[in-house]
Amino acid sequence: LAKTTQPISMDSYEGQEVNITCSHNNIATNDYITWYQQFPSQGPRFIIQGYKTKVTNEVASLFIPADRKSSTLSLPRVSLSDTAVYYCLVGSSYAGNNRKLIWGLGTSLAVNP
Amino acid sequence: NAGVTQTPKFQVLKTGQSMTLQCAQDMNHNSMYWYRQDPGMGLRLIYYSASEGTTDKGEVPNGYNVSRLNKREFSLRLESAAPSQTSVYFCASSEWDRGTTYEQYFGPGTRLTVT
Repeated sequence: LAKTTQPISMDSYEGQEVNITCSHNNIATNDYITWYQQFPSQGPRFIIQGYKTKVTNEVASLFIPADRKSSTLSLPRVSLSDTAVYYCLVGSSYAGNNRKLIWGLGTSLAVNP
Repeated sequence: NAGVTQTPKFQVLKTGQSMTLQCAQDMNHNSMYWYRQDPGMGLRLIYYSASEGTTDKGEVPNGYNVSRLNKREFSLRLESAAPSQTSVYFCASSEWDRGTTYEQYFGPGTRLTVT
């Protein structure tokens, strides 16, 4: 079962790039890596997902090395509104009755003016 | 579209009482999930339903039961509430393995306190 580890907290300033790394040494072949953002008193919200190499969308990039034992969420030019908790999720997209979804404990990102 | 809705938003129970948390989604998703979130613990999967008519245990199913009433609705029942079940409960839904898409849509949560 893949266990994920990510930093508890990070600090940054407006306009900077933020990189949050998640470690998942026991990732399985079928597992995808997904990142979510959560604001206080709300449910998590999808940011980005990948399987290997690099994925980019309008809000973030996800870097996954060849061994897939870690992944890095990159947030370009953060603003105050990016202050939130960021979760790494490792799970299988395999359609089966034994789906495993392992969430990290979250990284609390504080963006300062 | 309302997305994923949950009722109630808040609930206080006494130890031993029972209750059902309701969840509904209007996105025609096949899969639905129940999570609990405790301080410092992240999200833990209680039960999920890959499709209508099926349910399976997640990481922490003890003390809970679920019912996938139809494609839209997935309820979570606490038969005899315990203080250890004090938590925030989230319901989520997603498409079921459509290509590489695995995006879960979450409801606003139910804050449950068991005294």
